[in-house]
Amino acid sequence: DTGVSQNPRHKITKRGQNVTFRCDPISEHNRLYWYRQTLGQGPEFLTYFQNEAQLEKSRLLSDRFSAERPKGSFSTLEIQRTEQGDSAMYLCASSLGGQAVNQPQHFGDGTRLSIL
Amino acid sequence: AQSVSQHNHHVILSEAASLELGCNYSYGGTVNLFWYVQYPGQHLQLLLKYFSGDPLVKGIKGFEAEFIKSKFSFNLRKPSVQWSDTAEYFCAVNANFGNEKLTFGTGTRLTIIP
Repeated sequence: DTGVSQNPRHKITKRGQNVTFRCDPISEHNRLYWYRQTLGQGPEFLTYFQNEAQLEKSRLLSDRFSAERPKGSFSTLEIQRTEQGDSAMYLCASSLGGQAVNQPQHFGDGTRLSIL
Repeated sequence: AQSVSQHNHHVILSEAASLELGCNYSYGGTVNLFWYVQYPGQHLQLLLKYFSGDPLVKGIKGFEAEFIKSKFSFNLRKPSVQWSDTAEYFCAVNANFGNEKLTFGTGTRLTIIP
């Protein structure tokens, strides 16, 4: 179990720039989740994938946000035209999911986004 | 929609004291319940989980939690805390079908004084 890996660990960018984060889940996990965490709050759900299919998106995910999981392996989260309010920790989690399977989600270290 | 309430924002205890952190949830169906811990500078780690069966669940590092369905509660307990338990603790819930998104509480920061 090599754990969930996220890159980069920290991203600093100017307002208006585009940023992309990457998440590599635990290899046998078919479900992948993105969450956002701001200071003093718990993580908030953004979106999740089962294999390559994006099954749900939160209303928090504006049209400036897009996530992909090509081939059902790693995932990327892109934010276009970043705004001050996008500053947060972006967390990725993975799990072994399915109709009759209850498995906990395993989290990565997160990518901290700072907008100047 | 699901929601989770953690009543204690910051708890300060001396070593060897007993701990109880409150967690209440709101959801109309059957749920899975979790406690995650985040040590300083580290990622969220699963402390314990409840899916079904015995409502008293034991986790790592001597932690346990009790699911009380009638109170919609899942409080975390430890009889004797250690300095190394200093961390942020998050209660979370998801729907008990398949494996769905987690809804987290706002977290409780626990500080243990040596």
